[in-house]
Amino acid sequence: KQEVTQIPAALSVPEGENLVLNCSFTDSAIYNLQWFRQDPGKGLTSLLLIQSSQREQTSGRLNASLDKSSGRSTLYIAASQPGDSATYLCAVNYGGSQGNLIFGKGTKLSVKP
Amino acid sequence: EPEVTQTPSHQVTQMGQEVILRCVPISNHLYFYWYRQILGQKVEFLVSFYNNEISEKSEIFDDQFSVERPDGSNFTLKIRSTKLEDSAMYFCASSESGGLRLVVSDTQYFGPGTRLTVL
Repeated sequence: KQEVTQIPAALSVPEGENLVLNCSFTDSAIYNLQWFRQDPGKGLTSLLLIQSSQREQTSGRLNASLDKSSGRSTLYIAASQPGDSATYLCAVNYGGSQGNLIFGKGTKLSVKP
Repeated sequence: EPEVTQTPSHQVTQMGQEVILRCVPISNHLYFYWYRQILGQKVEFLVSFYNNEISEKSEIFDDQFSVERPDGSNFTLKIRSTKLEDSAMYFCASSESGGLRLVVSDTQYFGPGTRLTVL
């Protein structure tokens, strides 16, 4: 069964710290992987999509890496800010351009001022 | 910036009633999806839709569910006879796909969700 796991479930850091969120998947034959941010009671905001052929993707203070062979992706957040506080979801697509996403349960990040 | 919109934001219904959740995908997108998230649980895939037909559906998407694109802009999810366990946040998503820049065209963009409460 294809599963996505995110550890830790929750993380609290002081403002300004660099941090890494982890995502692991059981089947390495992925098509792409997408990172989202979810604020309480809100929808999902797409942060980064990384294709299976890529090793990393960057957007501003965010950097996502992908290691297919080990079934892992990380989301690196530099110089964290209180506004980064949210739940971060990792989702894997095995089905191609139109494939559905399989989600992890997320990591709830709290950045303290 | 274009975005996916959903209405209503919150729907309360009695068990056994029919509900229709509405979505307006991003205008040049070709692929449409419904997902749901039961409180405290993972986001789960329900169905994908392309070229006016279902591309893929999960085991959750049984005969009580249906989807439709009634016109050029709306995409709807109908639940014929709601159950208590249908209470969840329902998200619509769309993607462009088929573009040359896969990182852009394959990205799924989500709406804000409809919170469905079945009493």
